[in-house]
Amino acid sequence: KAGVTQTPRYLIKTRGQQVTLSCSPISGHRSVSWYQQTPGQGLQFLFEYFSETQRNKGNFPGRFSGRQFSNSRSEMNVSTLELGDSALYLCASSPGVTPGRETQYFGPGTRLLVL
Amino acid sequence: AQRVTQPEKLLSVFKGAPVELKCNYSYSGSPELFWYVQYSRQRLQLLLRHISRESIKGFTADLNKGETSFHLKKPFAQEEDSAMYYCALLETSGSRLTFGEGTQLTVNP
Repeated sequence: KAGVTQTPRYLIKTRGQQVTLSCSPISGHRSVSWYQQTPGQGLQFLFEYFSETQRNKGNFPGRFSGRQFSNSRSEMNVSTLELGDSALYLCASSPGVTPGRETQYFGPGTRLLVL
Repeated sequence: AQRVTQPEKLLSVFKGAPVELKCNYSYSGSPELFWYVQYSRQRLQLLLRHISRESIKGFTADLNKGETSFHLKKPFAQEEDSAMYYCALLETSGSRLTFGEGTQLTVNP
């Protein structure tokens, strides 16, 4: 099976702009989770989507949002970008059938630089 | 709140030496624990999870509930083991993975 894919791989934006990142899960996986990775804070959970519904949410401001489509592909949006949003954004997929018991498989990430 | 601690940011060993990467956790429940590895310029990938009790690339990890630890061990380190290693805890009610800060392992020739 093809792995998790993310587009674009690299992005440069300026403060105040918004950005949309895309994630395609492993075929058959219905759960998509998003994580932010920074040198200072490490890997932090943003949110999880399952069957087009947000099922779990981390402690990030409302500027961070997401959605999931009927084919399980997911997008993440960050509005009003701040310098501190510069990070590697990872998405991970899992079957989603037994929450709390499944392995998550990660994509290569989208590296966002905010100037 | 759940928490994962990896006390060593950097760990350096020589090829053929034993290696142990420490991981401690706090969680009010029965945890699902994982080790992920990130080789240079590659994606984060699963190394092993405690429930499978498998040995992957010679690595093993035992869950010690009394000490709330899940240390990763390998008896003879290889140069190709050089990578960043993350310990992670999966909450039992959902899909939130809590990661430790990571340990950068360097295996010297």
